[in-house]
Amino acid sequence: DAGVTQSPTHLIKTRGQQVTLRCSPKSGHDTVSWYQQALGQGPQFIFQYYEEEERQRGNFPDRFSGHQFPNYSSELNVNALLLGDSALYLCASSETGLHNEQFFGPGTRLTVL
Amino acid sequence: AQSVTQLGSHVSVSEGALVLLRCNYSSSVPPYLFWYVQYPNQGLQLLLKYTSAATLVKGINGFEAEFKKSETSFHLTKPSAHMSDAAEYFCAVTRSRGSARQLTFGSGTQLTVLP
Repeated sequence: DAGVTQSPTHLIKTRGQQVTLRCSPKSGHDTVSWYQQALGQGPQFIFQYYEEEERQRGNFPDRFSGHQFPNYSSELNVNALLLGDSALYLCASSETGLHNEQFFGPGTRLTVL
Repeated sequence: AQSVTQLGSHVSVSEGALVLLRCNYSSSVPPYLFWYVQYPNQGLQLLLKYTSAATLVKGINGFEAEFKKSETSFHLTKPSAHMSDAAEYFCAVTRSRGSARQLTFGSGTQLTVLP
């Protein structure tokens, strides 16, 4: 089992551009969550997808959007990039259930210049 | 709303010494609590979790944590530090009720192990 995979590993963009990050969940997992981890801080919840719908959203602007595909993989899109969007973006997958554990991928390091 | 506070952004211990990383939580409903470890340039790995069963939780790599409701704490301990324990540690909380399981993380504690 490959676990949670994310692509790309690193990405450099300029202000105003748009970016798409991708995540493949662990086998058997149907729920995907996205987190933003700024340098020196803990991860912050962006949103969670289940059954191809956004189920819960954190305190992030509409510039952050996502999608979940029928195979449970997911994308995170960020429009109109700002310098402050530079961070490590983590994807976590889990099974729907009472004591679900979230398994994290290695992250995508986004740098906005 | 739930939140966690990690006391001490940096902790240094000598190899073989006790590791104690502090976490206090705030939650309006019974919480589930987690400790994650993050090595440089890697994602998060779950060390242990509290889900309202035993208050003393044992995790991987010799770590354990005790849920103390009266103190609203969930401190992480390890009797004897190893050089390989050097990493950043995050405490996290989520609601025990409801279907959505967003994790709320603390700001992290960087553990340094001195030879």
